[in-house]
Amino acid sequence: KQEVTQIPAALSVPEGENLVLNCSFTDSAIYNLQWFRQDPGKGLTSLLLIQSSQREQTSGRLNASLDKSSGRSTLYIAASQPGDSATYLCAVEGPDQTGANNLFFGTGTRLTVIP
Amino acid sequence: DAGVTQSPTHLIKTRGQQVTLRCSPKSGHDTVSWYQQALGQGPQFIFQYYEEEERQRGNFPDRFSGHQFPNYSSELNVNALLLGDSALYLCASSPEGSAEAFFGQGTRLTVV
Repeated sequence: KQEVTQIPAALSVPEGENLVLNCSFTDSAIYNLQWFRQDPGKGLTSLLLIQSSQREQTSGRLNASLDKSSGRSTLYIAASQPGDSATYLCAVEGPDQTGANNLFFGTGTRLTVIP
Repeated sequence: DAGVTQSPTHLIKTRGQQVTLRCSPKSGHDTVSWYQQALGQGPQFIFQYYEEEERQRGNFPDRFSGHQFPNYSSELNVNALLLGDSALYLCASSPEGSAEAFFGQGTRLTVV
């Protein structure tokens, strides 16, 4: 069964600092990996999607990498801002035990950017 | 484009009752998935609907059922509510053949 782990569970950084969030998954048979942002009590906002054949994706100050063979992804946030404070979730799309496609989520990293 | 919309935003129910949650997908999206997110956890897949049929199902009991309408909107029904059903219920839509999921703001269900 696919297991997705995110480390650290929580992170506090001063404004302006660059930071890296980590995501690991146990089964490398994935179709893609997606990073989401979630504000408290709210839904998920898609940040970046990396197809299994890709190594990285960039959007503004965000850069996500994927190493499928080692089961790892990182989300790099440059020049962090207080508005970046949120929980960041990693999800992989891949087959479940029945062979059907499913999105498997980590438990997230709660980021606080201190002004 | 309104994106994915869910209603209601908050709901309080008593143990044993039944609840219906609603989701309207993003324009042009025909696939709707439902997730349950307990506090401090990642979302857990409940089921997915496409062409008005349940296409996939996660590890949830039969108390959880759903429906998709011809306009692609969807409902999630939960019968015989338990305290442990208290969670944020998220709906996600995607166009057929696309991997990217777009989520709604969720419905916060509290069972007392």
